[in-house]
Amino acid sequence: GNSVTQMEGPVTLSEEAFLTINCTYTATGYPSLFWYVQYPGEGLQLLLKATKADDKGSNKGFEATYRKETTSFHLEKGSVQVSDSAVYFCALSEGTGNQFYFGTGTSLTVIP
Amino acid sequence: GAVVSQHPSRVICKSGTSVKIECRSLDFQATTMFWYRQFPKKSLMLMATSNEGSKATYEQGVEKDKFLINHASLTLSTLTVTSAHPEDSSFYICSVPGQGAGQYFGPGTRLLVL
Repeated sequence: GNSVTQMEGPVTLSEEAFLTINCTYTATGYPSLFWYVQYPGEGLQLLLKATKADDKGSNKGFEATYRKETTSFHLEKGSVQVSDSAVYFCALSEGTGNQFYFGTGTSLTVIP
Repeated sequence: GAVVSQHPSRVICKSGTSVKIECRSLDFQATTMFWYRQFPKKSLMLMATSNEGSKATYEQGVEKDKFLINHASLTLSTLTVTSAHPEDSSFYICSVPGQGAGQYFGPGTRLLVL
């Protein structure tokens, strides 16, 4: 079946530090992969996505590359800011209109 | 602007009462909507798939008689938590399929059962 495994948090970084949040997946077909972000008190927002192998999704300085050979979609940012403090969810979906499978979420706190 | 809205955003109720949560697709029609439950510091768990014009499809372990889903129109799905108990306290989130494989998530409804 489909599942997503995400590194557990919480993660605490100093401002301008490098961020990596690991995400691996299992899927029966060829999924699309996503990173969603949830800021305190708000709903989920799409951060970036990749729909096929070797695609790189990027947004707001965050990047993730769809690695089929390692079934991974790790999230990276070169220099985090305090405003990046949030919970990050890795997710996969197979096909349009299909349900999402989420990782457990990783809480990130960036301190000045 | 928001693509998916939920109402209410927060509700507190007494144990034994029923609570209705609405999910509206604002920009387009949706024959399918999804309902998730998010526990504190946990991931989102799919509860059910809401289908316009037919019965909802529930995930294993979700009580269909307790969590009633009605997809009343192409823009509205409702989740009713019947005879709520404190263990039903949670964050309930709906989503609407978007273009490609993406989805739009509602802002969530926080339910607290006393």
